[in-house]
Amino acid sequence: ETGVTQSPTHLIKTRGQQVTLRCSSQSGHNTVSWYQQALGQGPQFIFQYYREEENGRGNFPPRFSGLQFPNYSSELNVNALELDDSALYLCASRMDRTRGAFFGQGTRLTVV
Amino acid sequence: AQTVTQSQPEMSVQEAETVTLSCTYDTSESDYYLFWYKQPPSRQMILVIRQEAYKQQNATENRFSVNFQKAAKSFSLKISDSQLGDAAMYFCAYRRRETSGSRLTFGEGTQLTVNP
Repeated sequence: ETGVTQSPTHLIKTRGQQVTLRCSSQSGHNTVSWYQQALGQGPQFIFQYYREEENGRGNFPPRFSGLQFPNYSSELNVNALELDDSALYLCASRMDRTRGAFFGQGTRLTVV
Repeated sequence: AQTVTQSQPEMSVQEAETVTLSCTYDTSESDYYLFWYKQPPSRQMILVIRQEAYKQQNATENRFSVNFQKAAKSFSLKISDSQLGDAAMYFCAYRRRETSGSRLTFGEGTQLTVNP
């Protein structure tokens, strides 16, 4: 049990639609990151939030956006879904930079 | 840019035996962290072990230990007395040590099978 919860666990959307994925972190975890994991691959960094501001972004287009809230929850929003967006989306949070991140169980997104 | 390479897509080990998973990385930084994560079929990434680059002593967590060779940029994971519950995908990951938060860069993973 990592104390990081993601919802929903599975989701099916149609190409062109928009989706919001949610993550709830432990109290005090002021850094949250989102990763995309395609089948059979390692996770790829999407972006990171620290104290509600984005402070790092991977090689993902602007249609991937996020928010972090004061209650240690966060969102990943994806607009104009494409088939290649089908993947496992992982949320990870941590309290300080010296420790490893704690991951949620992921949201499996399928775009049809 | 930092890269992490896991050259063993699959490994297998007999229960109670020892197995070593390999990882190499490339970076121009001198101060960073290295991690091994385990991802079972439940999909949740579980932190197995962490190594700080400025520490010469290899990290150990119960049956899990690492061989950290900074000059060679190598970071292998040794699992002793393997158990059926160790079967999972294992990812090696790198993170820079910065004043603000920084991303994890993952390898492609090694699928570990434990045979009874």
